[in-house]
Amino acid sequence: DTGVSQDPRHKITKRGQNVTFRCDPISEHNRLYWYRQTLGQGPEFLTYFQNEAQLEKSRLLSDRFSAERPKGSFSTLEIQRTEQGDSAMYLCASSLDPGYTGNTIYFGEGSWLTVV
Amino acid sequence: AQTVTQSQPEMSVQEAETVTLSCTYDTSESDYYLFWYKQPPSRQMILVIRQEAYKQQNATENRFSVNFQKAAKSFSLKISDSQLGDAAMYFCAYRRSGTYKYIFGTGTRLKVLA
Repeated sequence: DTGVSQDPRHKITKRGQNVTFRCDPISEHNRLYWYRQTLGQGPEFLTYFQNEAQLEKSRLLSDRFSAERPKGSFSTLEIQRTEQGDSAMYLCASSLDPGYTGNTIYFGEGSWLTVV
Repeated sequence: AQTVTQSQPEMSVQEAETVTLSCTYDTSESDYYLFWYKQPPSRQMILVIRQEAYKQQNATENRFSVNFQKAAKSFSLKISDSQLGDAAMYFCAYRRSGTYKYIFGTGTRLKVLA
């Protein structure tokens, strides 16, 4: 078990371009989350998958953002027509059923996005 | 809405000394979990310690312990015998029982002085 992996770790893009981040969760985890973290702030919830179903999207996730988790395995987060305000670290996390006592989520190292 | 507040943007501690990081939260729920996460520079966030709200006993994990005051909605982290490797951002987080969404504070940067 290599933990949650994210790719790429760093991305610099020009305003208006599209970017895509990939997350590979821990293999037996059926829950997958995306969070966004800006400098000086804690992570903020973006969206959540249970297997392949996207069950909730935050209001932070504008129409330019789309996330998928085909076949309930890896997930992608795509940002279209990037804006400078999208510059942040995008964190992926995974977990088992959160209803169980003692359950916790495991984070990846994050994907840094800089929009210039 | 639930909120988590960390009022100390930065703290310093001498190696081998003890430091306490503060966290307060606001919720109307009675069943929830509280967490402290550590985020080293350019590395992934890892769980330090977890507290279930229904448990009166404060959680302890080796050199890390919490002071959970449910009525006051306070959840502080004590690090004993601080080590250089403890230097990191520390985030306090809340999750309502049966849900999946974590609410994080803004973090406290801990510096450990040799």
